[in-house]
Amino acid sequence: AQSVTQLGSHVSVSEGALVLLRCNYSSSVPPYLFWYVQYPNQGLQLLLKYTSAATLVKGINGFEAEFKKSETSFHLTKPSAHMSDAAEYFCAVSEDSSYKLIFGSGTRLLVRP
Amino acid sequence: DAGVIQSPRHEVTEMGQEVTLRCKPISGHDYLFWYRQTMMRGLELLIYFNNNVPIDDSGMPEDRFSAKMPNASFSTLKIQPSEPRDSAVYFCASRDGGRGHTEAFFGQGTRLTVV
Repeated sequence: AQSVTQLGSHVSVSEGALVLLRCNYSSSVPPYLFWYVQYPNQGLQLLLKYTSAATLVKGINGFEAEFKKSETSFHLTKPSAHMSDAAEYFCAVSEDSSYKLIFGSGTRLLVRP
Repeated sequence: DAGVIQSPRHEVTEMGQEVTLRCKPISGHDYLFWYRQTMMRGLELLIYFNNNVPIDDSGMPEDRFSAKMPNASFSTLKIQPSEPRDSAVYFCASRDGGRGHTEAFFGQGTRLTVV
Protein backbone atom coordinates (compact mmCIF):
# COMPACT_ATOMS: atom_id res chain seq x y z
CA ALA A 1 0.00 0.00 0.00
CA GLN A 2 1.15 3.51 -0.71
CA SER A 3 1.87 5.90 2.14
CA VAL A 4 3.34 9.29 2.97
CA THR A 5 5.51 10.32 5.88
CA GLN A 6 5.71 13.87 7.16
CA LEU A 7 8.81 14.68 9.17
CA GLY A 8 8.20 17.06 12.03
CA SER A 9 4.83 17.41 13.71
CA HIS A 10 5.57 21.08 14.43
CA VAL A 11 7.61 23.61 12.49
CA SER A 12 8.20 27.14 13.75
CA VAL A 13 9.52 29.96 11.55
CA SER A 14 9.79 33.71 11.79
CA GLU A 15 7.64 35.89 9.62
CA GLY A 16 9.46 36.45 6.35
CA ALA A 17 11.56 33.31 6.67
CA LEU A 18 11.60 30.31 4.35
CA VAL A 19 9.00 27.64 5.00
CA LEU A 20 10.01 24.02 4.36
CA LEU A 21 7.62 21.19 5.20
CA ARG A 22 8.82 17.69 4.43
CA CYS A 23 6.94 14.82 2.86
CA ASN A 24 8.30 11.47 1.67
CA TYR A 25 6.22 8.91 -0.14
CA SER A 26 6.46 5.18 -0.62
CA SER A 27 5.24 3.98 -3.96
CA SER A 28 6.36 1.50 -6.55
CA VAL A 29 4.59 3.38 -9.29
CA PRO A 30 4.48 7.09 -10.13
CA PRO A 31 2.40 8.58 -7.34
CA TYR A 32 -0.30 11.20 -7.34
CA LEU A 33 0.59 13.57 -4.54
CA PHE A 34 -1.22 16.41 -2.85
CA TRP A 35 -0.69 19.07 -0.20
CA TYR A 36 -3.64 20.28 1.80
CA VAL A 37 -3.93 23.03 4.41
CA GLN A 38 -6.30 23.09 7.37
CA TYR A 39 -7.04 26.29 9.23
CA PRO A 40 -8.54 26.07 12.74
CA ASN A 41 -12.06 24.68 12.83
CA GLN A 42 -12.19 24.26 9.08
CA GLY A 43 -12.01 21.47 6.56
CA LEU A 44 -9.01 20.71 4.38
CA GLN A 45 -8.26 22.85 1.33
CA LEU A 46 -6.09 21.86 -1.58
CA LEU A 47 -2.82 23.78 -1.86
CA LEU A 48 -1.36 21.97 -4.85
CA LYS A 49 -1.12 18.61 -6.56
CA TYR A 50 1.43 16.61 -8.53
CA THR A 51 0.14 14.65 -11.48
CA SER A 52 3.40 14.06 -13.42
CA ALA A 53 3.01 17.00 -15.79
CA ALA A 54 5.86 18.93 -14.14
CA THR A 55 8.18 18.23 -11.22
CA LEU A 56 7.85 21.74 -9.78
CA VAL A 57 4.28 22.45 -8.86
CA LYS A 58 2.99 25.87 -7.93
CA GLY A 59 0.01 26.23 -5.66
CA ILE A 60 -2.05 28.86 -3.98
CA ASN A 61 -0.79 31.46 -1.50
CA GLY A 62 2.76 31.36 -2.87
CA PHE A 63 3.44 27.74 -1.98
CA GLU A 64 5.20 25.31 -4.27
CA ALA A 65 6.45 21.74 -4.08
CA GLU A 66 9.05 19.81 -5.99
CA PHE A 67 8.68 16.16 -6.87
CA LYS A 68 12.01 14.33 -6.57
CA LYS A 69 11.79 10.73 -7.62
CA SER A 70 15.37 9.94 -6.58
CA GLU A 71 14.59 11.06 -3.05
CA THR A 72 10.93 9.91 -3.02
CA SER A 73 10.09 13.36 -1.72
CA PHE A 74 7.51 16.05 -2.30
CA HIS A 75 8.51 18.85 0.07
CA LEU A 76 6.43 22.01 0.37
CA THR A 77 8.13 25.40 0.37
CA LYS A 78 7.32 29.08 0.51
CA PRO A 79 10.06 31.72 0.24
CA SER A 80 8.63 34.08 2.83
CA ALA A 81 6.27 33.09 5.63
CA HIS A 82 3.28 35.22 6.50
CA MET A 83 1.37 35.19 9.75
CA SER A 84 -1.68 33.95 7.88
CA ASP A 85 0.22 30.78 6.88
CA ALA A 86 -0.09 29.44 10.41
CA ALA A 87 -2.12 26.25 9.99
CA GLU A 88 -1.76 22.49 9.75
CA TYR A 89 -0.44 21.04 6.51
CA PHE A 90 -1.09 17.55 5.22
CA CYS A 91 0.64 15.61 2.49
CA ALA A 92 -1.46 12.95 0.78
CA VAL A 93 -1.11 10.25 -1.85
CA SER A 94 -3.80 8.80 -4.06
CA GLU A 95 -3.48 5.04 -4.37
CA ASP A 96 -3.03 4.08 -7.98
CA SER A 97 -5.51 1.24 -8.10
CA SER A 98 -8.03 2.03 -5.40
CA TYR A 99 -8.27 5.83 -5.61
CA LYS A 100 -8.03 5.97 -1.82
CA LEU A 101 -6.59 9.25 -0.57
CA ILE A 102 -4.11 8.50 2.21
CA PHE A 103 -2.89 11.32 4.43
CA GLY A 104 0.28 11.87 6.39
CA SER A 105 0.20 12.75 10.07
CA GLY A 106 0.30 16.48 9.43
CA THR A 107 2.70 19.31 10.30
CA ARG A 108 1.58 22.29 12.31
CA LEU A 109 3.24 25.48 11.09
CA LEU A 110 3.75 28.27 13.61
CA VAL A 111 4.79 31.70 12.37
CA ARG A 112 6.49 34.01 14.88
CA PRO A 113 6.19 37.76 14.51
CA ASP B 1 -21.69 24.23 -6.57
CA ALA B 2 -21.90 24.77 -2.82
CA GLY B 3 -19.20 22.24 -2.13
CA VAL B 4 -19.43 19.25 0.18
CA ILE B 5 -22.07 19.88 2.81
CA GLN B 6 -22.02 18.20 6.19
CA SER B 7 -24.55 18.37 8.97
CA PRO B 8 -24.66 19.00 11.79
CA ARG B 9 -21.53 21.11 12.35
CA HIS B 10 -21.53 20.27 16.04
CA GLU B 11 -23.11 17.40 17.90
CA VAL B 12 -23.08 16.77 21.63
CA THR B 13 -24.62 13.54 22.78
CA GLU B 14 -24.65 11.27 25.78
CA MET B 15 -22.86 7.98 25.86
CA GLY B 16 -25.05 5.19 24.55
CA GLN B 17 -27.07 7.37 22.21
CA GLU B 18 -27.24 6.93 18.47
CA VAL B 19 -25.55 9.57 16.37
CA THR B 20 -26.06 10.16 12.65
CA LEU B 21 -23.78 12.35 10.61
CA ARG B 22 -24.82 13.47 7.15
CA CYS B 23 -23.01 14.39 3.98
CA LYS B 24 -24.00 15.75 0.60
CA PRO B 25 -21.15 15.39 -1.92
CA ILE B 26 -20.47 17.63 -4.86
CA SER B 27 -22.79 16.84 -7.73
CA GLY B 28 -21.17 14.56 -10.29
CA HIS B 29 -18.50 13.21 -7.96
CA ASP B 30 -18.44 9.43 -7.88
CA TYR B 31 -16.16 8.88 -4.87
CA LEU B 32 -17.14 9.70 -1.30
CA PHE B 33 -14.86 9.34 1.71
CA TRP B 34 -15.47 9.50 5.46
CA TYR B 35 -12.52 10.50 7.64
CA ARG B 36 -12.10 10.90 11.38
CA GLN B 37 -9.64 13.37 12.86
CA THR B 38 -8.30 13.22 16.41
CA MET B 39 -5.22 14.63 18.09
CA MET B 40 -3.93 11.16 18.86
CA ARG B 41 -4.54 9.41 15.56
CA GLY B 42 -4.59 12.23 13.04
CA LEU B 43 -6.72 11.86 9.91
CA GLU B 44 -8.02 8.32 9.47
CA LEU B 45 -9.94 7.01 6.49
CA LEU B 46 -12.98 5.16 7.81
CA ILE B 47 -14.76 4.08 4.64
CA TYR B 48 -15.15 5.12 1.04
CA PHE B 49 -17.74 4.63 -1.67
CA ASN B 50 -17.58 4.52 -5.44
CA ASN B 51 -20.83 5.04 -7.30
CA ASN B 52 -22.72 4.59 -4.02
CA VAL B 53 -21.13 1.20 -3.33
CA PRO B 54 -18.88 0.74 -0.27
CA ILE B 55 -15.45 -0.25 -1.54
CA ASP B 56 -13.32 -0.39 1.59
CA ASP B 57 -14.58 -0.20 5.16
CA SER B 58 -11.43 -1.55 6.78
CA GLY B 59 -10.97 1.72 8.64
CA MET B 60 -14.28 1.50 10.47
CA PRO B 61 -13.20 1.00 14.08
CA GLU B 62 -15.99 -1.24 15.33
CA ASP B 63 -19.36 -2.67 14.47
CA ARG B 64 -20.89 0.30 16.26
CA PHE B 65 -20.00 2.31 13.16
CA SER B 66 -21.95 1.98 9.94
CA ALA B 67 -22.18 4.04 6.77
CA LYS B 68 -24.61 4.14 3.91
CA MET B 69 -24.95 5.89 0.60
CA PRO B 70 -28.52 5.38 -0.63
CA ASN B 71 -28.00 7.65 -3.64
CA ALA B 72 -25.37 9.77 -5.34
CA SER B 73 -26.24 12.88 -3.37
CA PHE B 74 -26.41 11.64 0.21
CA SER B 75 -24.42 9.60 2.70
CA THR B 76 -24.69 8.93 6.41
CA LEU B 77 -22.28 7.75 9.07
CA LYS B 78 -23.98 6.26 12.10
CA ILE B 79 -22.58 5.40 15.50
CA GLN B 80 -24.73 3.22 17.72
CA PRO B 81 -24.18 3.19 20.62
CA SER B 82 -21.82 6.14 20.93
CA GLU B 83 -18.93 6.19 23.40
CA PRO B 84 -16.75 9.04 24.72
CA ARG B 85 -13.76 7.77 22.70
CA ASP B 86 -15.77 8.46 19.53
CA SER B 87 -15.37 12.18 20.18
CA ALA B 88 -13.61 13.60 17.14
CA VAL B 89 -14.12 15.68 14.03
CA TYR B 90 -15.64 13.67 11.20
CA PHE B 91 -15.03 14.81 7.64
CA CYS B 92 -16.72 13.85 4.45
CA ALA B 93 -14.94 14.36 1.13
CA SER B 94 -15.80 13.70 -2.50
CA ARG B 95 -13.82 13.48 -5.73
CA ASP B 96 -14.42 12.99 -9.43
CA GLY B 97 -12.71 9.72 -10.34
CA GLY B 98 -13.78 10.10 -13.94
CA ARG B 99 -11.07 12.72 -14.39
CA GLY B 100 -8.34 10.52 -12.95
CA HIS B 101 -6.57 11.11 -9.66
CA THR B 102 -8.07 14.49 -8.97
CA GLU B 103 -8.16 16.17 -5.61
CA ALA B 104 -10.79 15.46 -3.02
CA PHE B 105 -12.98 18.26 -1.76
CA PHE B 106 -13.73 18.34 1.94
CA GLY B 107 -16.72 19.45 3.94
CA GLN B 108 -16.40 21.64 7.01
CA GLY B 109 -16.64 18.63 9.29
CA THR B 110 -18.85 17.59 12.18
CA ARG B 111 -17.39 18.00 15.64
CA LEU B 112 -18.79 15.17 17.75
CA THR B 113 -18.60 15.24 21.53
CA VAL B 114 -19.83 12.22 23.46
CA VAL B 115 -20.22 12.84 27.18
